Amino acid sequence: QVQLVESGGGVVQPGGSLRLSCTTSGFTFTTHALHWVRQAPGKGLEWVAFIRHDGKNQWYAESVRGRFTISRDKATQTLYLEMSSLRTEDTAIYYCAKKPVGGPTDYWGQGTLVSVSS
Amino acid sequence: QPVLTQSSSASASLGSSVKLTCTLSSEYSNYNIAWHQQQPGKAPRYLMKVENIGLYKRGSGVPDRFSGSRSGADRYLTISNLQSEDEADYYCETWESYAVFGGGTKLTVL
Repeated sequence: QVQLVESGGGVVQPGGSLRLSCTTSGFTFTTHALHWVRQAPGKGLEWVAFIRHDGKNQWYAESVRGRFTISRDKATQTLYLEMSSLRTEDTAIYYCAKKPVGGPTDYWGQGTLVSVSS
Repeated sequence: QPVLTQSSSASASLGSSVKLTCTLSSEYSNYNIAWHQQQPGKAPRYLMKVENIGLYKRGSGVPDRFSGSRSGADRYLTISNLQSEDEADYYCETWESYAVFGGGTKLTVL
């Protein structure tokens, strides 16, 4: 069955860095785009970053552009999010999700909590 | 980019039906959307996609109490025979390029 398992969350000070991972299985990695979506405490879903099925293009929300980098590794079927210059407003649960080419997000991970605090 | 507008809250009685709305900004009124459910304390779950021609397709394991439709720029999620476990936040998403989400509707089952 499809699995998306996030890891790497934790507590970090403002200005710090963190790397999130999302290990995937149960689907054809190379035919699915992947993205990160976050949810601040008590708030709605906010799309963060997207990478095409072939890894050739990435898109970022304005709020994280220049600070976050999304990447994917075909060999290990893993999605990454490198986060730097973290701010208190980046505090959220970060979900990875998959999206078949030409279709909507159809599976979500369980999320990993990032807390930016001094 | 498209903007998806949802009412912040809705309520309906156990066993009744409710229709949630997601409105696409006018220049994107022909876009397809998807609906996701997020029960309290859980990750979101994909429910269905609603195409711009009004057809909908449920995700795996989604009960047939959930259905979709459209009218103009509005996309709907109808839940029939409401159950207590349907109390959740519901988000719409459009995916023509990357992903854009609506603000979500909190559904209370009375």
